[in-house]
Amino acid sequence: KAGVTQTPRYLIKTRGQQVTLSCSPISGHRSVSWYQQTPGQGLQFLFEYFSETQRNKGNFPGRFSGRQFSNSRSEMNVSTLELGDSALYLCASSLYQGMTKYEQYFGPGTRLTVT
Amino acid sequence: GQQLNQSPQSMFIQEGEDVSMNCTSSSIFNTWLWYKQDPGEGPVLLIALYKAGELTSNGRLTAQFGITRKDSFLNISASIPSDVGIYFCAGLGGANSKLTFGKGITLSVRP
Repeated sequence: KAGVTQTPRYLIKTRGQQVTLSCSPISGHRSVSWYQQTPGQGLQFLFEYFSETQRNKGNFPGRFSGRQFSNSRSEMNVSTLELGDSALYLCASSLYQGMTKYEQYFGPGTRLTVT
Repeated sequence: GQQLNQSPQSMFIQEGEDVSMNCTSSSIFNTWLWYKQDPGEGPVLLIALYKAGELTSNGRLTAQFGITRKDSFLNISASIPSDVGIYFCAGLGGANSKLTFGKGITLSVRP
């Protein structure tokens, strides 16, 4: 079974631009979560989607948004990029919330550099 | 909010040694997950724990779900160079809660 895939793997953008990152979960997984990882802050939770609905949200400004499609694929968008948005953005999928044995699997991440 | 504490931030061991790391919280969790992350890659799930007191092994790795449900432990036996990486613990509280991560421990193995 293929793992979580994320595209693109690397991205360089200029301050003020906007960016869209894509995530395809493991086949059959309906829950997708997004995280921002930086050396100083570790893994910061952005949001979680299940069945096209946002279920949980972290403490990020409104410039960060996401959505999930009917096939469970998810995208996250960052508008008006700032230098501090440079990070590894990780997507993770799980079967569904509330399952007895919860497991979350990560993709390889998208390395975003804002110049 | 819920927080997971992992310390120290870095550990240095000799190849062949065993190493233990723990993860503590003031909150109760129903699930504990342990991950390893290599540079430039996403975290890889190593072990999942679902019941207080549960002890689970995956090769040279053994993890335990603390009796109080507020902590978990990971042990790596007979370390090898490829054990180098960042080890994260993560805990899940009630249904519809989000997974909470520790800040990770960077493990270095000296040959």
